[in-house]
This record gives sequence, C-alpha cells and structure tokens, in this order.
Amino acid sequence: GAVVSQHPSRVICKSGTSVKIECRSLDFQATTMFWYRQFPKQSLMLMATSNEGSKATYEQGVEKDKFLINHASLTLSTLTVTSAHPEDSSFYICSAKPAAGPDTQYFGPGTRLTVL
Amino acid sequence: KNEVEQSPQNLTAQEGEFITINCSYSVGISALHWLQQHPGGGIVSLFMLSSGKKKHGRLIATINIQEKHSSLHITASHPRDSAVYICAVNSGGGADGLTFGKGTHLIIQP
Repeated sequence: GAVVSQHPSRVICKSGTSVKIECRSLDFQATTMFWYRQFPKQSLMLMATSNEGSKATYEQGVEKDKFLINHASLTLSTLTVTSAHPEDSSFYICSAKPAAGPDTQYFGPGTRLTVL
Repeated sequence: KNEVEQSPQNLTAQEGEFITINCSYSVGISALHWLQQHPGGGIVSLFMLSSGKKKHGRLIATINIQEKHSSLHITASHPRDSAVYICAVNSGGGADGLTFGKGTHLIIQP
C-alpha cells in the first residue's frame, strides 16, 4: 500500500535554531502534500498545502516566513521551522495525495518537535 | 469554514461490545475520512467515503449527505481497537486539506 515517511520522528532543539522535517511518499508520486500540526489534546490543524514546483498555500494565522515549505519533487516535501520557540513544540504530520489512483490522502507517522 | 463535531469525546467499553462514533459537519463536503490515531501519534486512514456505506473487517462507516452526518461502527470490539478515532472532511475538491474533528478517545477493556 501507499507509504509516507517522515524524518525525523522526534527532534529536540534549542530555542532560536531551525529544524527541517522531511516528508516522503515512498511508493507513489504526490502532486500535493499537506502539513498539519497537532497541539496536545487538540485536533489536527492544516498549516499549509504544498504543490510540487509551486509556492505553498498557507492557512490563516500560519506565518509563511517561519514555516518554510519546499516541494521540490513529486516524492518529497520539507517543512523548516525557522528560529524555533517553545510555543512551536508540537506534533507535525504530513499527508500526501497521489498523482494517480484513489482520491485520498496518505498520512506520515508524524514528527514530535520539542523546543527547549 | 466547516465545523466538524464528534461524539462522544471519550468512550470506554468492554471487549466484544458494538461501538458507534458519530460525526456531523456544517457545510457540504466532497469526502469524509475516518482516521485512527495511536498513542504514539501515527495516523492510519480507515475510510474515505462520499456516500453510502463501506465495510472493512469489523469496521463499518456510513454517511448521510443530506443530514451531514457520518458514523463509524466497530463490531466485536477488542482491546487493540483502543485509539483515538478522528473524523475529517474535504470541503472542496480532493486536493483540499482536511478539517478535523477533535477525535473520540476509545478504550476497550478486556
């Protein structure tokens, strides 16, 4: 079946540093990838929609200069949290929509970010 | 913006019981997803449906487009079914990001 991986699965960093999270579709091409964020005991929230070869579309309230998204190929999207602060600590999940086949999204396992 | 409501928020049941989780939404959708999130956070997509009913093993999902309501049923529940079940909707075309409910925390006791 369709598999989406994320790397790293966990990351702890100091305040002020930048962290890059990778999302890969392993056995299919994804024209669109989505980035979600989940704070403890809250529902997932869409942060941005990433289309291969074009700029990401950010949801209201999500700072595009802080959360840099690059979707350079049909199998890879990256999210970089720049100048991370403790309030950015969260669970970040990506999903990928196949270029062909079922009209659905496949989810990555998530990345737990802790900013000290 | 679509509002997605799930009920119940928490559910504890005994092994073998029939489980129903409900989801309602406020605006017409193109598709509804039922997801399962395990304690580590990883998410598995259980169903995507836009009409009718789907069945996979002991899981059944139904949707009523007119009433803007969906249900997820688990038959012969088992402790390994313990997880958070999340309803999510596509408000536009399939390329839209999802809007999520808050989830239902299910515990099945042996």
